[in-house]
Amino acid sequence: AQSVTQPDIHITVSEGASLELRCNYSYGATPYLFWYVQSPGQGLQLLLKYFSGDTLVQGIKGFEAEFKRSQSSFNLRKPSVHWSDAAEYFCAVGAQRGGSYIPTFGRGTSLIVHP
Amino acid sequence: DARVTQTPRHKVTEMGQEVTMRCQPILGHNTVFWYRQTMMQGLELLAYFRNRAPLDDSGMPKDRFSAEMPDATLATLKIQPSEPRDSAVYFCASGLVQGVNTEAFFGQGTRLTVV
Repeated sequence: AQSVTQPDIHITVSEGASLELRCNYSYGATPYLFWYVQSPGQGLQLLLKYFSGDTLVQGIKGFEAEFKRSQSSFNLRKPSVHWSDAAEYFCAVGAQRGGSYIPTFGRGTSLIVHP
Repeated sequence: DARVTQTPRHKVTEMGQEVTMRCQPILGHNTVFWYRQTMMQGLELLAYFRNRAPLDDSGMPKDRFSAEMPDATLATLKIQPSEPRDSAVYFCASGLVQGVNTEAFFGQGTRLTVV
């Protein structure tokens, strides 16, 4: 079954530093991949998605992710983190359920930003 | 600004009581999802609908949970009777699913506490 693994439960970075959040997927064919962000007490917001084509995907809020088939990874990056980026980040894969590909989420990575 | 609306935002109830959570999907979206978020299990898909028809509810405990879409503007998730282990945040999401593109737009969630 299609699934994603986020190996880091927490990541701490200083404001202004670069960020990389890891995501590994399990799927034989080309997966449909997403990154979502969840601020405290809020729902999830889509940052970016990958279905096909260019393996470097640009998203909102200055985030990007790179699909690497050889490493089964879809890591999220940002060159310079702002304090407002502190949140929970979820990687998701489109897993086949009931005839469609439904976002199936990893356990999430909590990002802590130090001033 | 179109958004998914969930009510209530918070609900505290006693064990054995019926709980109904409501969701207004984004107008024009053809797919509605229900997810449950807990610390132990993360984000789990409970059920989803396409054009108001249930396509997959395999993630839902059938004996006490039920999900319906009485019309295109309303989705409901009902728990009867509720139990303390049902305490979680329940998210509704909607999307315009075309082919394999299953981007989901999330509501802010209903935080349910069963005492």
